Amino acid sequence: AQSVTQPDIHITVSEGASLELRCNYSYGATPYLFWYVQSPGQGLQLLLKYFSGDTLVQGIKGFEAEFKRSQSSFNLRKPSVHWSDAAEYFCAVGVYNNDMRFGAGTRLTVKP
Amino acid sequence: DGGITQSPKYLFRKEGQNVTLSCEQNLNHDAMYWYRQDPGQGLRLIYYSQIVNDFQKGDIAEGYSVSREKKESFPLTVTSAQKNPTAFYLCASIQRGRGELFFGEGSRLTVL
Repeated sequence: AQSVTQPDIHITVSEGASLELRCNYSYGATPYLFWYVQSPGQGLQLLLKYFSGDTLVQGIKGFEAEFKRSQSSFNLRKPSVHWSDAAEYFCAVGVYNNDMRFGAGTRLTVKP
Repeated sequence: DGGITQSPKYLFRKEGQNVTLSCEQNLNHDAMYWYRQDPGQGLRLIYYSQIVNDFQKGDIAEGYSVSREKKESFPLTVTSAQKNPTAFYLCASIQRGRGELFFGEGSRLTVL
């Protein structure tokens, strides 16, 4: 069965510093890959997605992610974090639209 | 604007009562999903429906029931059989073939 692992439960970075959130997946074929962001008490908003093609994907709010097939990873990056980026981030894996699996999430705290 | 509407946003229930959470979408999406979110556990799939009058159990369906009588509606009933119903519930939908979930704002259920 497919699964998603986000190794970091909580990350703290200083405002203006770079950010990388890790995501590893387990699946027999190349799945669809997603990153979502969630503010407290809210639904999830899609940051970016990878279906095929260029392995470096650009998303909203200045985020990008890189798909590395050899490492089964889809890490999220941002060069300079803003205080408004503090939220919970979820990596997700999907196959067509039948089964979407989510990681446990990484909570991001931004220090002033 | 198109989107997913969940209601109520907050709900309190006494033990032994059934409650129904509403989910309506005007995106004309084929498939709809219910997820449960608990701190540190990410999103777990309760039920999903690919087409009207058909639905499948997810990973944690016990104590829950759903119906899909209309394409735009996918209500979730939390029954008294659900042993630990206090959680944040998220409804989502997807257009077949696109692979991207759209989420509602969530409903927080608290059992008193």
